[in-house]
Amino acid sequence: DAGVTQSPTHLIKTRGQQVTLRCSPKSGHDTVSWYQQALGQGPQFIFQYYEEEERQRGNFPDRFSGHQFPNYSSELNVNALLLGDSALYLCASSLGGQGYGQPQHFGDGTRLSIL
Amino acid sequence: AQSVSQHNHHVILSEAASLELGCNYSYGGTVNLFWYVQYPGQHLQLLLKYFSGDPLVKGIKGFEAEFIKSKFSFNLRKPSVQWSDTAEYFCAVLGSNTGKLIFGQGTTLQVKP
Repeated sequence: DAGVTQSPTHLIKTRGQQVTLRCSPKSGHDTVSWYQQALGQGPQFIFQYYEEEERQRGNFPDRFSGHQFPNYSSELNVNALLLGDSALYLCASSLGGQGYGQPQHFGDGTRLSIL
Repeated sequence: AQSVSQHNHHVILSEAASLELGCNYSYGGTVNLFWYVQYPGQHLQLLLKYFSGDPLVKGIKGFEAEFIKSKFSFNLRKPSVQWSDTAEYFCAVLGSNTGKLIFGQGTTLQVKP
């Protein structure tokens, strides 16, 4: 049973650059959510994709954007990187067709470091 | 504002001791409640969840949690911890009409053998 997979595992970028992170949901899941986890903090919700559309968004600037593909996989794009974007980025998948409230299953995350 | 507060940042226990981790939330509506665990080097895993019904829910590995609506609390308990329970524990809230999971800041549990 394939769980949530994320790539790459680690990434180093410099300020001002752009980055794309990728996520494949758990088999059978159709909804993908993205979270940012700073060191020593709990994950913070960035946005959620369902049926290839952004269904809900947290308090993140427009520099953070995403996409969901027909196979339910997803990308997180961050433009004009800032030092404060250094964090662990988590992808979580769930069953969205049954409405909100379904348990979310997490991947291992991508560790993004900004120099 | 919606928020989750975990009372302890770092807890150190000896094996066989009892555990209780506090969690309080602020949310104006019906909620689903979760505890997630992150073992060293692993991804976040669902420990247990509350949607409705019996406010005392049982999860994996002998953990349980009690939802007290009047106190907006969802505390995690285990009667006797093991060294393998060393991990970070996160309480999270999901509104019934939102996909936005709100996490607490986490509690690091260290169990000494």
